[in-house]
Amino acid sequence: KAGVTQTPRYLIKTRGQQVTLSCSPISGHRSVSWYQQTPGQGLQFLFEYFSETQRNKGNFPGRFSGRQFSNSRSEMNVSTLELGDSALYLCASSLAYSYEQYFGPGTRLTVT
Amino acid sequence: AQSVTQLGSHVSVSEGALVLLRCNYSSSVPPYLFWYVQYPNQGLQLLLKYTTGATLVKGINGFEAEFKKSETSFHLTKPSAHMSDAAEYFCAVTGGTGNQFYFGTGTSLTVIP
Repeated sequence: KAGVTQTPRYLIKTRGQQVTLSCSPISGHRSVSWYQQTPGQGLQFLFEYFSETQRNKGNFPGRFSGRQFSNSRSEMNVSTLELGDSALYLCASSLAYSYEQYFGPGTRLTVT
Repeated sequence: AQSVTQLGSHVSVSEGALVLLRCNYSSSVPPYLFWYVQYPNQGLQLLLKYTTGATLVKGINGFEAEFKKSETSFHLTKPSAHMSDAAEYFCAVTGGTGNQFYFGTGTSLTVIP
């Protein structure tokens, strides 16, 4: 069974731009969560989607948004990029109501 | 609310020595506890998990952890370190509705030959 895939793997953007990251969960997984990982803040929860609905949201500004499609694929969007948004963005998928998350390799975003 | 504290951001052990990575949690509900490992430029891989039942949990690569409710701890151990164990290790807790995880700040394990 294929794992969680994230595209692109690396991205360089400039301040003020917007970016969209994509995550394809493991087949059959309906829950997708997004995390931001930085050296200073560690792993921080952004949001979780289940059956196209946002089920949980972390403490991030409204510039960070997401959505989930009917095939469970998810996208995350960051508008008006700031230097501090440079991070590894990780996506994790899980079965419905399962506590076991499977992580993708991440997208490394660099904002210059 | 849940939170995790990992004591020691960096741990060094000699090859063949015991590995002990510490994790303490706080949870207002019965916790589900996890250890993940992250190798450079990769995502997180699940090592082991505690949900219910046996408090001593065995995971992959020879790792195990023991859930101690009285100490609110879930320390990760491995009897004999291998060079390939060098990585970042994260402890995580969840327990609320949905799948919101709370991660510790991570412990970087160095294995000295």
